[in-house]
Order: sequence, then C-alpha cells, then structure tokens
Amino acid sequence: GAGVSQSPSNKVTEKGKDVELRCDPISGHTALYWYRQSLGQGLEFLIYFQGNSAPDKSGLPSDRFSAERTGGSVSTLTIQRTQQEDSAVYLCASSPEGGTGGFYGYTFGSGTRLTVV
Amino acid sequence: AQKVTQAQTEISVVEKEDVTLDCVYETRDTTYYLFWYKQPPSGELVFLIRRNSFDEQNEISGRYSWNFQKSTSSFNFTITASQVVDSAVYFCALSEARIQGAQKLVFGQGTRLTINP
Repeated sequence: GAGVSQSPSNKVTEKGKDVELRCDPISGHTALYWYRQSLGQGLEFLIYFQGNSAPDKSGLPSDRFSAERTGGSVSTLTIQRTQQEDSAVYLCASSPEGGTGGFYGYTFGSGTRLTVV
Repeated sequence: AQKVTQAQTEISVVEKEDVTLDCVYETRDTTYYLFWYKQPPSGELVFLIRRNSFDEQNEISGRYSWNFQKSTSSFNFTITASQVVDSAVYFCALSEARIQGAQKLVFGQGTRLTINP
C-alpha cells in the first residue's frame, strides 16, 4: 500500500482480556518496528522484524506482549491479559533495509489507541 | 546510553512569528543519526529531516531550518513565519548508525507547538 496501515484505529478492552493489533507495512519494506506512545513513558521501542531474521524483542515490557510477522509482511502485536498500564497508542513503522545510503528513518502508521478499562 | 531531551514541553506563538524548538542529545557513539518528526492531531508521525553526525551543515527547507552543533550536542529546529498548520507535537530522535539490525530511535518527550491565528 501507499502507507503503513494499522487496525483497529481505536480499541477499548476490559482488563484481563487479550487484544491483537495489526500492522500492514509499505510494500517492499523489509524492516518493521512496533513502538508504544504513552503519557508517562513517551515513545518506546518494542520490537523489530527484518526479513527472516530472528526479531529483536528487547523492548517488550513483559511476557504478556508478543508479536509475529507472517510472510515478511503483515505483523500482529498481541497483548495478553491486558492491564490498565497497557493503555497507550501503539505505532507501527516500516523502512527499506538500510544500505549504502544509510538509515533514513521510518514511515509510521497512524497507530492504534488502546484503552484498557 | 542514548538520551534526547526536549526541555520545552509546550510553546504557543502567534501566527507569523518565528519559533525555535530545542533538542539536546547524549550518546557515546561517534556515528549516529538525528531526526525530527512532526505529529499532527491525526496521530501519524511525519518524517521531517535526518542528519548524519558527520554532517554539521545547517539545512533549510522552505520555512524550516535546522541547526546541528556537535560541540553542544544540540539539533535545534526553527520554523520561520509560523502558520496555524504547523501546530503539532514535534519530536527529536536519535539513532546509532548500525550496519545491520534494528535501527532503534530514541525519542525526546516532544514539544507541543500551538500556532494561534
């Protein structure tokens, strides 16, 4: 697609329920990132996917968070047993693999606003 | 550890005024990238500029200009003749330069800029 697409745009869930957030990156972009934007913590890196390589999960805040990327394209971020502190905007971004031109930053989606009540 | 500080939480000016957004960073890397992103009310983070640590030339793009000074670890952003459409949250970010693997962005807390008509 023309841009990074995320769905749903808004999600309200009850504490303890599981949620799935979807990201459809720009076609041809091999790198995919998830970030979380919350009032208290600002923008935080969560996880990175690059092709068939093992993902970099170093930013996931707990084992309730997991993500997968199927076929090198669409990614799903899953939060199990949601807690109120999980309320945030979850942003997905993609970029072409950096080559000799260096890293030019990502293209971000509009995010999914998650509210845990 | 890398850190980005945007000391100005909120700025409010009248249209046509010039405004400068400050960004100070910390890193032990000798090679790194600096970025500015704009986040309008729609929520999407929009890439504005990337600067390589080896390139200290200032840059001008229309009404936007950036002043990179390694001596003070600052990467300030100036909007000349501001317009209401410039109202947004602006983020400064830092990334280490890596040959491969995740290019994680470390973001500042953001500056909310309001341009009043």
